Amino acid sequence: SQQGEEDPQALSIQEGENATMNCSYKTSINNLQWYRQNSGRGLVHLILIRSNEREKHSGRLRVTLDTSKKSSSLLITASRAADTASYFCATDPAVGDTGGFKTIFGAGTRLFVKA
Amino acid sequence: NAGVTQTPKFRVLKTGQSMTLLCAQDMNHEYMYWYRQDPGMGLRLIHYSVGEGTTAKGEVPDGYNVSRLKKQNFLLGLESAAPSQTSVYFCASSQTQEGYTFGSGTRLTVV
Repeated sequence: SQQGEEDPQALSIQEGENATMNCSYKTSINNLQWYRQNSGRGLVHLILIRSNEREKHSGRLRVTLDTSKKSSSLLITASRAADTASYFCATDPAVGDTGGFKTIFGAGTRLFVKA
Repeated sequence: NAGVTQTPKFRVLKTGQSMTLLCAQDMNHEYMYWYRQDPGMGLRLIHYSVGEGTTAKGEVPDGYNVSRLKKQNFLLGLESAAPSQTSVYFCASSQTQEGYTFGSGTRLTVV
């Protein structure tokens, strides 16, 4: 079973609107990251939020983390057609015996921004 | 600023054939990873390495082998390809667990 699950699976909005994607996970984490993937390309790291942080901003991106609900959200404000991509959350589980290196990716949210 | 380079970008194999996927990074990262991406499944970790000369199994290691003889290179081998290994393979590297750099992927089809 996957650690991170994004919701919705797909999202279609008009340019200028805000896009919100959610991620839920199952175990305690050290950090949660969001990545972006354009069609046919590799993933690109967008933003990281640590387990002791509740909100983080980067440009038009806003990430929140609620460790009590084991969930995170990614908000893209004033979306543009160029934001069309898949967005993945990735969690670094705080599991003692793994030694790290087990960042787990969700299945992603496909965002389509119509011009 | 090449980052992570994967070769080849596309490959078609017949069942039973073998091949090696090459990943090279120029950022002096300690850690390297091989993932596969299948529709609706997200990325699944195949093998990873925490340094030159070390490798470890990930979530889905069966049917694959890896080697990290040089710090900058991480090779993924398929000894006897099966149709179930049709996928897009991504290599990634990192210096910490706080942000991976990915290659552009290898699309492999096994017929």
